[in-house]
Amino acid sequence: KAGVTQTPRYLIKTRGQQVTLSCSPISGHRSVSWYQQTPGQGLQFLFEYFSETQRNKGNFPGRFSGRQFSNSRSEMNVSTLELGDSALYLCASSLVGSGNTDTQYFGPGTRLTVL
Amino acid sequence: AQSVSQHNHHVILSEAASLELGCNYSYGGTVNLFWYVQYPGQHLQLLLKYFSGDPLVKGIKGFEAEFIKSKFSFNLRKPSVQWSDTAEYFCAVRSGTYKYIFGTGTRLKVLA
Repeated sequence: KAGVTQTPRYLIKTRGQQVTLSCSPISGHRSVSWYQQTPGQGLQFLFEYFSETQRNKGNFPGRFSGRQFSNSRSEMNVSTLELGDSALYLCASSLVGSGNTDTQYFGPGTRLTVL
Repeated sequence: AQSVSQHNHHVILSEAASLELGCNYSYGGTVNLFWYVQYPGQHLQLLLKYFSGDPLVKGIKGFEAEFIKSKFSFNLRKPSVQWSDTAEYFCAVRSGTYKYIFGTGTRLKVLA
């Protein structure tokens, strides 16, 4: 079974621009979560989608948004980029996102650099 | 608010030394616990997980972790590390919501 895939793998943008990142979950997985990873901060939870609905949200500004499609693929959008948005953005998928045996599996991430 | 603490930010060991990485969480209810590893240039991989039952769980590559409910801890251990264990290790907790809370990570360097 193919793992979680993320595109693009690397992005360079300038301040003020917007960016869209894409994530394809493992086949059959319906929950997709997004994280921002920066050195010293670990993984900060952005949001989680299940069946095209945002089910949980972290403490990020409204510039960060996402959506999920009927095939469970998900996109994350960041508008009006700031230098501090430079990070590795990780996508993780799981079967349902809840329950006592559910486990997240991660993609390779998209490295975003904001100049 | 729920949180996960990994007190060791950087650990340097020689090959064959024993490893223990600390993880403490703050949440009073039922939790699911995870350790993930990120090798240089690779994506996060699941090392092991605890859902219920035996508090001592074994994972891949000889790693194990012990859940001590009274201490709100889930420490990761390995009796003898190898150079290839050089990586960053993340502890994560999932409680009643669908949200995972991750620690800030521990960078392990193993000297050959």
